[in-house]
Amino acid sequence: ETGVTQTPRHLVMGMTNKKSLKCEQHLGHNAMYWYKQSAKKPLELMFVYNFKEQTENNSVPSRFSPECPNSSHLFLHLHTLQPEDSALYLCASSLGGATTQYFGPGTRLLVL
Amino acid sequence: SQQGEEDPQALSIQEGENATMNCSYKTSINNLQWYRQNSGRGLVHLILIRSNEREKHSGRLRVTLDTSKKSSSLLITASRAADTASYFCATEGGSEKLVFGKGTKLTVNP
Repeated sequence: ETGVTQTPRHLVMGMTNKKSLKCEQHLGHNAMYWYKQSAKKPLELMFVYNFKEQTENNSVPSRFSPECPNSSHLFLHLHTLQPEDSALYLCASSLGGATTQYFGPGTRLLVL
Repeated sequence: SQQGEEDPQALSIQEGENATMNCSYKTSINNLQWYRQNSGRGLVHLILIRSNEREKHSGRLRVTLDTSKKSSSLLITASRAADTASYFCATEGGSEKLVFGKGTKLTVNP
């Protein structure tokens, strides 16, 4: 396992629920990422944070709201999701730029 | 798009055989990376090859890069059942973002 943890590992929520995904890295990295992985689709980059500042929002619907209080923690707040949002949500961190990314184990999300 | 595309989509081999996976991309890159993902888990970085490199080795892994053909290959020698996973290439073309392909699902049968 890498030094990137994610909680919860599994989450089932209804379309009216509000939940949050948490990511924590212990690698001293400056950049953190949220990715969405759906079946039979390439990994989709959602958000990028560098030194706590959001540098990328890849046209993600507003029902996904990221938060990065410091360089070690990253949250993804979920609100009024749709069934098609069911996927594996992966967090990653890196030293920034095009360097190696270190991934957490992911949160398997099911929206009913 | 810059997106890498792996080939084949799925590969099944016997333990001890070599496995070769290919990645093609469309635009110029600064580097190309290979990652592995066990079922339902996070991705694990395997190897990074820069645009001015042609070949790189790491243990049983050998990666080649041909920028003229915009392609890369990952060779796993003497495969083991534990190598069963999905393998992804990721390209970086100056935007400091990695763009991943859909992956090759490798099954190594004992």
